[in-house]
Amino acid sequence: QVQLVESGGGLVKPGGSLRLSCAASGFTFSDYYMSWIRQAPGKGLEWISYISSSDSAIYYADSVKGRITISRDNAKNSLYLQLNTLRAEDTAVYYCARSRAYCGTGRCYTDWYLDLWGRGTLVTVAS
Amino acid sequence: DIQLTQSPSSLSASIGDRVTVTCQASHDIRNYLNWYQQKPGKAPKLLIYDASKLEPGVPSRFSGSGSGTDFTFTISSLQPEDYATYYCQQFDDLPLTFGQGTRLDIK
Repeated sequence: QVQLVESGGGLVKPGGSLRLSCAASGFTFSDYYMSWIRQAPGKGLEWISYISSSDSAIYYADSVKGRITISRDNAKNSLYLQLNTLRAEDTAVYYCARSRAYCGTGRCYTDWYLDLWGRGTLVTVAS
Repeated sequence: DIQLTQSPSSLSASIGDRVTVTCQASHDIRNYLNWYQQKPGKAPKLLIYDASKLEPGVPSRFSGSGSGTDFTFTISSLQPEDYATYYCQQFDDLPLTFGQGTRLDIK
């Protein structure tokens, strides 16, 4: 079954850390760029990071830069997000999503069609 | 960052109605726009990519159009399962950004 399953969310105190995971199955994980998108309660979608298919390229949104680290393990079909120095405004459901990679002559790009999302994991930052 | 403004923020419609949502970009984004549907408690689902192309498996009552800064998403005949929140998303430049969403309710 083609799916993404996030885990690792929970309640954490301000200033704390958390590591989220996203397990992929049913498709060739290494053929895809992976993104993290979050959604605060009752709010819209905020894209916060991506990692390329071979982890040669990484990007962070300004709102989280310096406080998060994205990584992946293609051998384990897994994506990770390390969240540090958490604030109340980081409270959200965190989704992972894929977009297809296209590689040739040593260069890759993605089409940015987020065509598969996980169900999300809730991170609550509160004292 | 490229800002996307959706209109309206919410609307009420009846089964069988034609529904239109607009998305305006702060910069020219060519046709680099996708549309997603999100139902309560669920992950978003890609419906339209490249502004007007239907994702495989998505019913043909959904359509998209536009280029540059002005885009339109249409449901030609509203069905019960279409009540949801709809988001546009641009990928002309990083960071990827989403519109604020349009919530579609039963009238």
